[in-house]
Amino acid sequence: KAGVTQTPRYLIKTRGQQVTLSCSPISGHRSVSWYQQTPGQGLQFLFEYFSETQRNKGNFPGRFSGRQFSNSRSEMNVSTLELGDSALYLCASSLGAGGYTFGSGTRLTVV
Amino acid sequence: AQTVTQSQPEMSVQEAETVTLSCTYDTSESDYYLFWYKQPPSRQMILVIRQEAYKQQNATENRFSVNFQKAAKSFSLKISDSQLGDAAMYFCAYRSPTSGTYKYIFGTGTRLKVLA
Repeated sequence: KAGVTQTPRYLIKTRGQQVTLSCSPISGHRSVSWYQQTPGQGLQFLFEYFSETQRNKGNFPGRFSGRQFSNSRSEMNVSTLELGDSALYLCASSLGAGGYTFGSGTRLTVV
Repeated sequence: AQTVTQSQPEMSVQEAETVTLSCTYDTSESDYYLFWYKQPPSRQMILVIRQEAYKQQNATENRFSVNFQKAAKSFSLKISDSQLGDAAMYFCAYRSPTSGTYKYIFGTGTRLKVLA
């Protein structure tokens, strides 16, 4: 059974640009969550989607947004990129209380 | 608000020996889930072990076991017979089952080095 797939694996963008990251969850998983991982702040929750609805949102500026499609695939978008947005962005899907299954992440570098 | 603390930024263990990673948390809830995740250099977070707070029995998964002390709000991970492949960042995580969300709160992680 396929795992959680995140694309692209690596991305380099310039300050001020916008970026879209994609996440395909495990088949049958309706919950998709996004986390930002940096050396200084650790793993910080961005948002969670369940059946195309945002169920929870972390403490990030409005430049960070996301959505979920009817097939449970999710995208997150960051507009007006800043140097501080450089991070590993992790997507995780879940069926229930068993725990997350994570993707391998997208490494975003803003220059 | 719930918090998760991992007070050991880095630990080392000799191959085949046993090591214990510490995790404490703070919550006012009586029911919740606790997890340990492993993140090797490949970056993918891998679920190591899970514990439901209402279960008194400590969870075990092969060489991995936990010492869950609910009253002390402590959730340590014991790795027995350490192997080179165990070298990774280990994160402790908390999840509330009552909030209607699968949001996790992670600790800052412990880097485990395994010495040959």
